Amino acid sequence: QKEVEQNSGPLSVPEGAIASLNCTYSDRGSQSFFWYRQYSGKSPELIMFIYSNGDKEDGRFTAQLNKASQYVSLLIRDSQPSDSATYLCAALYSNYQLIWGAGTKLIIKP
Amino acid sequence: KAGVTQTPRYLIKTRGQQVTLSCSPISGHRSVSWYQQTPGQGLQFLFEYFSETQRNKGNFPGRFSGRQFSNSRSEMNVSTLELGDSALYLCASSLEGATSYNEQFFGPGTRLTVL
Repeated sequence: QKEVEQNSGPLSVPEGAIASLNCTYSDRGSQSFFWYRQYSGKSPELIMFIYSNGDKEDGRFTAQLNKASQYVSLLIRDSQPSDSATYLCAALYSNYQLIWGAGTKLIIKP
Repeated sequence: KAGVTQTPRYLIKTRGQQVTLSCSPISGHRSVSWYQQTPGQGLQFLFEYFSETQRNKGNFPGRFSGRQFSNSRSEMNVSTLELGDSALYLCASSLEGATSYNEQFFGPGTRLTVL
């Protein structure tokens, strides 16, 4: 059983629309959650992290956390072609290991 | 500030050989984590070193080992290479390691191909 689950995609979204990326995790003791973006052939880079239930906004990005449902999401508003990448969700588990999902490939269509 | 560097960037080995990969973290960062990335599997955690001590270890066989030096530079070693070890190996550095709000900065990776 995978510990951090993401839909592998690809998720295709028209330019200007909202892209919604989802992630579930299995460890209820997880403390914080991270969204990384990885362009093809490049290394992951942090977009944002969240540790409290609710929403956290940063520019066009909003992370949402629901600990009761063990669910994290990332919304990208006004999607741009430059947002096309693989988005990785990671959870800091109670054993202090950072567990990663396999990533969702996002394609923004002009 | 210089980023995380990894050497070599590409490596081709044959089954049964061993390999050593190197990672230099961002200046001032004391934690170095190693990951294996393969298509469809995402990032698999290998181990984390902090102040020369292995602080955490993933579920990889003993053929995978690592160490960290006093200057925080880290090496990982894979012995008796298998075809399935072909992957991108990423190193990530952070200030304090496994804390709640800790950002990891990734190096460019070493692409290992085992023939």
